[in-house]
Order: sequence, then C-alpha cells, then structure tokens
Amino acid sequence: ETGVTQTPRHLVMGMTNKKSLKCEQHLGHNAMYWYKQSAKKPLELMFVYSLEERVENNSVPSRFSPECPNSSHLFLHLHTLQPEDSALYLCASSHDLGNEQFFGPGTRLTVL
Amino acid sequence: GENVEQHPSTLSVQEGDSAVIKCTYSDSASNYFPWYKQELGKRPQLIIDIRSNVGEKKDQRIAVTLNKTAKHFSLHITETQPEDSAVYFCAASSDGGTSYGKLTFGQGTILTVHP
Repeated sequence: ETGVTQTPRHLVMGMTNKKSLKCEQHLGHNAMYWYKQSAKKPLELMFVYSLEERVENNSVPSRFSPECPNSSHLFLHLHTLQPEDSALYLCASSHDLGNEQFFGPGTRLTVL
Repeated sequence: GENVEQHPSTLSVQEGDSAVIKCTYSDSASNYFPWYKQELGKRPQLIIDIRSNVGEKKDQRIAVTLNKTAKHFSLHITETQPEDSAVYFCAASSDGGTSYGKLTFGQGTILTVHP
C-alpha cells in the first residue's frame, strides 16, 4: 500500500493493557503527526515530529508515549488508558512542517 | 495559540445548489489555510488550500476565499452533487513562530447533498 498506513485499524483494550499503534509513510516525508479525532470535536493535534525529533507535545497525558525511530515510522504507545481515550487516532505526514499533510486511515480505539 | 471557529456545523442542500462554509481564525501570523474532506469511515483528504499571499483560489467546482483583514476564509462548492456529502474541516497554520507547521482544525461541517 502506498501513502500513509496505520495498524491496527481497530483496537479494543482494557484500562490496564499496554498496546502500540503504528504508522508508516511511504512518501519520503520528513514530518509526522498524531491526531485524536473524537465524535463532535475538532481534530486534536497530539504530537509532531520533524526529522525524527519531537517538536510538539500538545499537553498530552503521559499515558500516551510517542516514538519516531526514523522518518518513515511513528508509534504511539498506550498504557493505562481511560474510557474517554476511545477515539479515532490518525497519523499524518508532510514533506516538511507547514506543507500539505497526508492522513492515514486511522486506528479506531475502544478502551473498556 | 491559534483558535479556529467553523460554521455551520451542519449544512443541507439540494443537488445543484451551492454550499458555503465559513471559518475564522485568531492568530494573525497564520498564513496557510487548507480544507479537508472526510467521507464516512475514511481518512481526511485535502481538497484545496490557500496561502495568505492570494485572496482566492479555484479548482473546478471548489473555491476558497481569504480575507486576512477580517481573519476569515470560506469554502464554496458550486453545483453540488450527492458525492460531495461528507464532513469538511478547515484549518490554519503558520510558517513561523510557535505555530509553525501545526494545523489547528475547525470543528467540522457535515454537508448533506440531497438528490
């Protein structure tokens, strides 16, 4: 698959579980992003990475931990989440900061 | 930081009519304004964008206008078709300062085009 891919597409987890979301971009981009999309709320920017360095942590609770091992891969590690964390988590990438962002299909997360 | 307000939250039109969605922003340093379309169950996709050095941009049935003085921008869709039904998001970012490259999104508009 080309563009931006995310796995898994759906995830159900308990509050004590640890899981990870994966994002991969095949576009040669230098910037990657994590967004949270909840019902009836605007897309919320969580983290921004540029050239594998985190440039933004938008007041996200520490139970969300991002990792960017290289410019093509981005992870979101999840630990002791709350039911209100249930949402669609979208990854995006852009050539550089400030350019058009391309989104992945998202991971639909449900926290029981 | 930046704050983007989008109206209306829902918009219902008949096929062939025009649709207009409006957004206002608060940070005068913002200079990049993309519009995304998100169909049900799918990812947001860029449909048009504008930078602050132009006042209007058009791509077939879609146009965006920008008023920097008033800090608002609008999406115009003419001759709407049922396949235009989706959620539309506006966003704003700047290429400098603390908001560099970080998109702030509006709340979204659910557009429904009735055949």
